[in-house]
Amino acid sequence: EAGVTQSPTHLIKTRGQQATLRCSPISGHTSVYWYQQALGLGLQFLLWYDEGEERNRGNFPPRFSGRQFPNYSSELNVNALELEDSALYLCASSWGWGGDEQYFGPGTRLTVT
Amino acid sequence: QQQVKQSPQSLIVQKGGIPIINCAYENTAFDYFPWYQQFPGKGPALLIAIRPDVSEKKEGRFTISFNKSAKQFSLHIMDSQPGDSATYFCAARAAGNKLTFGGGTRVLVKP
Repeated sequence: EAGVTQSPTHLIKTRGQQATLRCSPISGHTSVYWYQQALGLGLQFLLWYDEGEERNRGNFPPRFSGRQFPNYSSELNVNALELEDSALYLCASSWGWGGDEQYFGPGTRLTVT
Repeated sequence: QQQVKQSPQSLIVQKGGIPIINCAYENTAFDYFPWYQQFPGKGPALLIAIRPDVSEKKEGRFTISFNKSAKQFSLHIMDSQPGDSATYFCAARAAGNKLTFGGGTRVLVKP
């Protein structure tokens, strides 16, 4: 069974630009989560999508947004990039609303210069 | 109240030793406590998890001990091997399926 996949592996952007990160969940999983892993700040919850709807949001500004498609894949958009947005962005998936186990993908390394 | 405090930050043990990582929390609404293992350049991998109505859970060489009254839980790695060298994160889940992570413990197992 394929795990969570993310693309691209690495992304380099300039301050002020927009970044789009993509995630495909494990087959059969309907929930997708986004986390940010920044140096010195640890892993922080960003967003949770289930059945195409945003279900929960972490303490991040509105320029972090996303969506979930009918095939349950998801996209994270970060607008007006700032230097401190440089981090590893991790996507996880679970069976659904009550799914306990969140399985993570390998992440997208975003570097903002 | 949403924090999960993890200690120590780093740990060095000899092969066969038992690294012990501790986590503490304040929020009594947390209902699920997973541990993740992360190797450099990889995403976190789910290792083992426990619910607050269970005091201990074992899976292979990994054991979680849970003390609900003290709001603490810990991970023991039995018969540790050099391949266990990684960063370990505890986490706790609140409403909205949000995982709150501890700061991580870097474990080095020397041959």
